[in-house]
Amino acid sequence: DIQMTQSPSTLSASVGDRVTITCRASQSVSRWLAWYQQKPGKAPNLLIYKASTLESGVPSRFSGSGSGTEFTLTISSLQPDDFATYYCQQYSTYGTFGQGTKVEIK
Amino acid sequence: EVQLLESGGGLVQPGGSLRLSCAGSGFIFSNYAMTWVRQAPGKGLEWVSGISGSGDIRHYADSVKGRFTISRDNSKKTLYLEMNSLRAEDTALYYCTKTRDIVIVASDYWGQGARVTVS
Repeated sequence: DIQMTQSPSTLSASVGDRVTITCRASQSVSRWLAWYQQKPGKAPNLLIYKASTLESGVPSRFSGSGSGTEFTLTISSLQPDDFATYYCQQYSTYGTFGQGTKVEIK
Repeated sequence: EVQLLESGGGLVQPGGSLRLSCAGSGFIFSNYAMTWVRQAPGKGLEWVSGISGSGDIRHYADSVKGRFTISRDNSKKTLYLEMNSLRAEDTALYYCTKTRDIVIVASDYWGQGARVTVS
């Protein structure tokens, strides 16, 4: 099975900061990678698919990059609405999620 | 508007069975693969199972293989998850998701979840 590892597990940041979250796969997933945002008590929301394609309606401050085994999610200027937990998911083989990265207010 | 409405959750004893349903609307149900994703209390997301739009391709996480069965009835626009031999570690909120394609890819719509408690 493909394992997904996110880093860091928790990130403290301020409004306006540039934030980067990394996701590593235990074997190549090509570009079959998605990023989700989840807020407490809510279902996850798709942000990015195919590693770098922004889902419709998602603000352009979110971007994704990478291929193979290493991927990043970048928020160019953190907004108050962005404090949440972020998950990566590979869907090259089934659909393994990373363990999540919680973005907290510094 | 795409809507996914899960039902069938509840409290069940270890070793028991439960069937979750997910009614889809607002999209051509048979054109999209569907998945189940669960989240144990205070924990992260765990992919459970997925099924192609036609229903001929099914995948399961190792943690549920042999115990859970995913199926769909495209005429009723409904996705199912039959859960047998339930364990305490199956306790979670189970989300039904629609993926972006007829094969299993990223999930663009999620239901609000069905809570399953095994105790």
